[in-house]
Amino acid sequence: GAVVSQHPSWVICKSGTSVKIECRSLDFQATTMFWYRQFPKQSLMLMATSNEGSKATYEQGVEKDKFLINHASLTLSTLTVTSAHPEDSSFYICSARDPLAGRGDTQYFGPGTRLTVL
Amino acid sequence: RKEVEQDPGPFNVPEGATVAFNCTYSNSASQSFFWYRQDCRKEPKLLMSVYSSGNEDGRFTAQLNRASQYISLLIRDSKLSDSATYLCVVVHSGYALNFGKGTSLLVTP
Repeated sequence: GAVVSQHPSWVICKSGTSVKIECRSLDFQATTMFWYRQFPKQSLMLMATSNEGSKATYEQGVEKDKFLINHASLTLSTLTVTSAHPEDSSFYICSARDPLAGRGDTQYFGPGTRLTVL
Repeated sequence: RKEVEQDPGPFNVPEGATVAFNCTYSNSASQSFFWYRQDCRKEPKLLMSVYSSGNEDGRFTAQLNRASQYISLLIRDSKLSDSATYLCVVVHSGYALNFGKGTSLLVTP
């Protein structure tokens, strides 16, 4: 099946620093990528939808100035958590939609990035 | 009311048992339905799509009742390796996935 990678797989940083997470589709071109966040024992929550070449669409309650998304190519989307605080500590997962897959709603998930802010 | 609701469990069952999970969704315009499996500290992986006519994949059977807005997953002959959290997922617009909190399954020897 299709492969999506994320980097880094985990990161520990000090409060106030910015952290960039990369999501890459390795063997297909993803016109749309999604960023999710999962807190312990909670469901995955969609943060934003990232469309190649256009601005991301953020879900209600997600600060677009804090979570910067860039989808500059068909295989790469980045999420930058600016001025991270301990409450931003979470498991961040991206997914990518393969428009050529059998079902248009097929998404492939990256392995996730565990962010811990001290 | 949450969009997708699941019984969190945990469900503790012996190997070989049959176990069923249920899920309800609130948006009647929902279009696509899935079951995902998530292992501890890992990303979710697609287990199966759910169709109105019901579908089966080996030991796994999924069913959808649109009138009741209800989805089910049946696992027969449980294996130790089936231990995981099972996520009910609904798509109602665009392609964004709406996840339930998951049902935890532990299969014991």
